Amino acid sequence: GQQLNQSPQSMFIQEGEDVSMNCTSSSIFNTWLWYKQEPGEGPVLLIALYKAGELTSNGRLTAQFGITRKDSFLNISASIPSDVGIYFCAGRDNNNDMRFGAGTRLTVKP
Amino acid sequence: NAGVMQNPRHLVRRRGQEARLRCSPMKGHSHVYWYRQLPEEGLKFMVYLQKENIIDESGMPKERFSAEFPKEGPSILRIQQVVRGDSAAYFCASSPLLTGELFFGEGSRLTVL
Repeated sequence: GQQLNQSPQSMFIQEGEDVSMNCTSSSIFNTWLWYKQEPGEGPVLLIALYKAGELTSNGRLTAQFGITRKDSFLNISASIPSDVGIYFCAGRDNNNDMRFGAGTRLTVKP
Repeated sequence: NAGVMQNPRHLVRRRGQEARLRCSPMKGHSHVYWYRQLPEEGLKFMVYLQKENIIDESGMPKERFSAEFPKEGPSILRIQQVVRGDSAAYFCASSPLLTGELFFGEGSRLTVL
């Protein structure tokens, strides 16, 4: 399957700081999705992106579909303790295969 | 509108036994995906099914693992003769369209003693 490189692997930040994470692919993707997973739970969809250049917000979260269609980023502004979790990017390629990044583990210190 | 339902949430099996994990997709969704997650790791694709058809099983081990999504009833992931290395969380996701977003269940956590 397609290789998705997600970075950083983990982040330790203070409450109130902004967070940025990204995913890159070796091939073009048609869809980028961002999920959050909390301990013991399933991933929850945060943002879906369908067009190159698309910039979408969901509250304090903002995600963009890269112009080259090979990357996407997720920003979290003014982090709060409940932002803690693992954030996964996912991409759907031209074969409609859906692949996931390895995740970014976010820790927010009060 | 109920979400993706998985059961059991937790399953304990001894080596050599069989494990059956069930997934009922969201209403109106005809596409089901199974993923496996080891502790501290990401989601690894196993299999993609539509009703009565396996579309892509490239991520599923060739032996002991099988999946089905019958015309009626839930999708089932079956693991025969389980080994300790099968211990993991197994997540099911469903989608209404081939190109749609995936919605995940809460997962089934398998522990093999």
